[in-house]
Amino acid sequence: AQTIHQWPVAEIKAVGSPLSLGCTIKGKSSPNLYWYWQATGGTLQQLFYSITVGQVESVVQLNLSASRPKDDQFILSTEKLLLSHSGFYLCASGQANTEVFFGKGTRLTVV
Amino acid sequence: QQKVQQSPESLIVPEGGMASLNCTSSDRNVDYFWWYRQHSGKSPKMLMSIFSNGEKEEGRFTVHLNKASLHTSLHIRDSQPSDSALYLCAASKGSGSFNKLTFGAGTRLAVCP
Repeated sequence: AQTIHQWPVAEIKAVGSPLSLGCTIKGKSSPNLYWYWQATGGTLQQLFYSITVGQVESVVQLNLSASRPKDDQFILSTEKLLLSHSGFYLCASGQANTEVFFGKGTRLTVV
Repeated sequence: QQKVQQSPESLIVPEGGMASLNCTSSDRNVDYFWWYRQHSGKSPKMLMSIFSNGEKEEGRFTVHLNKASLHTSLHIRDSQPSDSALYLCAASKGSGSFNKLTFGAGTRLAVCP
């Protein structure tokens, strides 16, 4: 069975500070990976997707970047956080037109 | 403007009652519809999916799809307090090598004992 581990579970960071969120997938080889973001009370938005190692495509511009250094790892980062980056970040896995599985998420508060 | 519109925004039903949730896509290229449930503070989990015209039933949950109008609905019978959650509708296109899901803003369901 596929499992998605996200870290950290929660973060409180200052405006202007850097951020790195991680995600590891187990139980699925060469998965399609996604980063989603949900502002408090807001809609779930797909930020990035990756079909293979080293390749990441941006879907929505939020002054964030993503990388896929290994087949089972997906990283979301930024060098300077904004207040508007607060929210719930979800890593997900799923092939085209199949169920998308979400990790448990990271809750980010920017102060 | 949201490409996936959900209604109502919120819904209160009594325990044992029927909850009906609606979702319409304004993107005529979508082929697949998904319903996810998200309990407070948790990540979304898929409830049901539907790709063909008609109806699909799984336990207390029934989903309908009208592809001509790009409208899907989710019906929950014998609603339980544990069904209280945010229900998200998503749509995706049939072609492509990755899953570009577009989510609606959701319907917040409260089931009162």
